[in-house]
Amino acid sequence: KAGVTQTPRYLIKTRGQQVTLSCSPISGHRSVSWYQQTPGQGLQFLFEYFSETQRNKGNFPGRFSGRQFSNSRSEMNVSTLELGDSALYLCASSAGQPITDTQYFGPGTRLTVL
Amino acid sequence: KQEVTQIPAALSVPEGENLVLNCSFTDSAIYNLQWFRQDPGKGLTSLLLIQSSQREQTSGRLNASLDKSSGRSTLYIAASQPGDSATYLCAPTSNTGKLIFGQGTTLQVKP
Repeated sequence: KAGVTQTPRYLIKTRGQQVTLSCSPISGHRSVSWYQQTPGQGLQFLFEYFSETQRNKGNFPGRFSGRQFSNSRSEMNVSTLELGDSALYLCASSAGQPITDTQYFGPGTRLTVL
Repeated sequence: KQEVTQIPAALSVPEGENLVLNCSFTDSAIYNLQWFRQDPGKGLTSLLLIQSSQREQTSGRLNASLDKSSGRSTLYIAASQPGDSATYLCAPTSNTGKLIFGQGTTLQVKP
């Protein structure tokens, strides 16, 4: 079974631009969560989608948004990029409820904002 | 607000040693706890998941224990190998399914 895949793996943008990251969960998994990892703040939760509905959201500004499609693939969008958005963005999928199921992470997208 | 602390922050040991990584969390109302490893610049690899009703889980040379009431979990690595070198992260799961991560323990196993 293929693991969680994320595209692109690396991205360089300039301040003010917007970016879209993609995550394909493990086949059959319905929940997708997004996390941001920075050296200063560590890993922080962005949001979680289940069956195309956002169920939970972390403490990030409205510039960060996401969505999930009927095939469970998810996209994350960041508008008006800031230097501080440079980070490794990780998505995780689980079969059902993240409360009880193991969450499997993808390799991440490394975003650099210049 | 859940806070997770991992001790030590870094550890360097010779190959073959048994070692213990510690994780403490402030809110005992968790549903489960996962241990992950992360290699430099890579994603997270799930190692073990302990449900809140369990006290320990084992996978190969790894054993994780959970004491929910005291807010502690430990990861025991037996007979460490250079390939075990990585950052180890513990993450209790909140009632919303959100993982709350500690800062990790960076392990170096020297040949």
